[in-house]
Amino acid sequence: AQTIHQWPVAEIKAVGSPLSLGCTIKGKSSPNLYWYWQATGGTLQQLFYSITVGQVESVVQLNLSASRPKDDQFILSTEKLLLSHSGFYLCAWSLGQGAETLYFGSGTRLTVL
Amino acid sequence: GDSVTQTEGPVTVSESESLIINCTYSATSIAYPNLFWYVRYPGEGLQLLLKVITAGQKGSSRGFEATYNKETTSFHLQKASVQESDSAVYYCALGEGGNEKITFGAGTKLTIKP
Repeated sequence: AQTIHQWPVAEIKAVGSPLSLGCTIKGKSSPNLYWYWQATGGTLQQLFYSITVGQVESVVQLNLSASRPKDDQFILSTEKLLLSHSGFYLCAWSLGQGAETLYFGSGTRLTVL
Repeated sequence: GDSVTQTEGPVTVSESESLIINCTYSATSIAYPNLFWYVRYPGEGLQLLLKVITAGQKGSSRGFEATYNKETTSFHLQKASVQESDSAVYYCALGEGGNEKITFGAGTKLTIKP
């Protein structure tokens, strides 16, 4: 069975500090991977997706970057956090090739102070 | 870009009553997008409830139904008789099929009164 693990569960960070959020998928080779973000009371917004190792497409620019260093790993990061980065970050995977059912992780709650 | 508009929450319904959560969409790059309903139950992760990829078809799951209406560009979620366990946040979503861009609505928080 496939599992998706996100870390950390929650973070409290200072404005201007760096951030790294991670996501690992086990039990599925070459999945499509996605990062979503939801501000408090806001819409779930797609940030990035990746269909293969080393390739990441940006959907929304929020002064964040993403990388896929391994087939089963997706990293979201920034060197300088903004207050507006606060919210809930979700990683997801899909089978790809047009099969768009998303399987989500449990998410990371980020508070920027 | 694509957009999804759904019933603004929160919505409160009494147990055994009927429910409809409205969803309309706008897809800019494809005539017939794939349509989804996702749900987040309290304490659980976001998960697929149902999906329909063919216009005119109906999807169903857990007593919920949604019909893909290309004329009205709608995908309303309905249930004839809700239960307390249906309390959750429901998200309508649209996929363009192939380019991996999937757009979500703002979510509708549903509370069922016993």
